[in-house]
Amino acid sequence: GQSLEQPSEVTAVEGAIVQINCTYQTSGFYGLSWYQQHDGGAPTFLSYNALDGLEETGRFSSFLSRSDSYGYLLLQELQMKDSASYFCAGETAGAGSYQLTFGKGTKLSVIP
Amino acid sequence: ETGVTQSPTHLIKTRGQQVTLRCSSQSGHNTVSWYQQALGQGPQFIFQYYREEENGRGNFPPRFSGLQFPNYSSELNVNALELDDSALYLCASSQKTSGNYEQFFGPGTRLTVL
Repeated sequence: GQSLEQPSEVTAVEGAIVQINCTYQTSGFYGLSWYQQHDGGAPTFLSYNALDGLEETGRFSSFLSRSDSYGYLLLQELQMKDSASYFCAGETAGAGSYQLTFGKGTKLSVIP
Repeated sequence: ETGVTQSPTHLIKTRGQQVTLRCSSQSGHNTVSWYQQALGQGPQFIFQYYREEENGRGNFPPRFSGLQFPNYSSELNVNALELDDSALYLCASSQKTSGNYEQFFGPGTRLTVL
């Protein structure tokens, strides 16, 4: 089976840096994606790691360690609009199909 | 470029009924995945369609079925509705090339089963 674990809630101050961790147990693991979802909204893609290391996209960075089955999303210069739920999603491949398995999500609250 | 759209936005059904949800994929995308998202949970993969064929399925019973049409739009059908089927149903489209990690989600259909 597939499972991804992430903290349920994180609170951080505006302007600060926050790290959201994700550990996974998946067979056929191909890579790790991160999605953001505001209350009442649709998930939107943030970042993807197929290889070990850090990927940077503006204020957001994502890291993967395949040997540790671990990744994280780093958000810098936090803004109030970053308050949302963040999901890690493991991409698995098999029989010509690529699928995403999502974690339960981390609710980030940014406070002034 | 048109994004992913879903209809209806909200739906109320009673236990035992059947429901059909619709999804139009983003222009140029040939793969549609359907997810069920319960309140406070992450999206759970139901199945995926690629070029009108089911191309992967999650841990959902056969009463969850789907279709994909030649224009890549898709339907999710759920028979014999149960109370636990109450959830947000999301569809996501992507262009299947070397992976499927970036998916574009629609706004979802909120299904309530009474």
